[in-house]
Amino acid sequence: AQSVTQPDIHITVSEGASLELRCNYSYGATPYLFWYVQSPGQGLQLLLKYFSGDTLVQGIKGFEAEFKRSQSSFNLRKPSVHWSDAAEYFCAVGARGTSYGKLTFGQGTILTVHP
Amino acid sequence: EAEVAQSPRYKITEKSQAVAFWCDPISGHATLYWYRQILGQGPELLVQFQDESVVDDSQLPKDRFSAERLKGVDSTLKIQPAELGDSAMYLCASSWDPSYEQYFGPGTRLTVT
Repeated sequence: AQSVTQPDIHITVSEGASLELRCNYSYGATPYLFWYVQSPGQGLQLLLKYFSGDTLVQGIKGFEAEFKRSQSSFNLRKPSVHWSDAAEYFCAVGARGTSYGKLTFGQGTILTVHP
Repeated sequence: EAEVAQSPRYKITEKSQAVAFWCDPISGHATLYWYRQILGQGPELLVQFQDESVVDDSQLPKDRFSAERLKGVDSTLKIQPAELGDSAMYLCASSWDPSYEQYFGPGTRLTVT
């Protein structure tokens, strides 16, 4: 069965600082990987996705993520955080075989941005 | 920009009552998903439709939950009877097909008292 671990429940950074959110996955084959962002009381917005090819993917709002097969990781990065980036971030792995399309999410990382 | 629509946005109900949520996916999206998100956790899949057919409902508590997508477009998720533990955000998502990214609606926040 697939699973996702986000080791950091809560991260605090200063505005303008760099950011890295960690994500480790467990899946028997090459996975689909996603990062979503959720503001309080809202739905999830897709930041970026990895399906195949280039392991460094660019997303919206200046975010990027790197797929590292050897480490089973898909960490999210941003070089300079803005106050509006404060939200909860979810990493997800998508199934390719049985349960094709099903997303399994991590428990999320809450990002707080100090001015 | 096309969006997934959900209603109502908020619902308060008493335990043992029936409640229903509605979802209208992005036009043309054949795959529709219902997720439940308990506060402080990531979403968990309840049911997946491909057109009007259920593809995966292995995590749906079928004794009290039901879902339908009769014409392969919009969908309804029902709970009867509601229990206190059903309090959560119910999210609907859609995609062109299972190999594409999913787009989420704003969700329905359910509170059972």
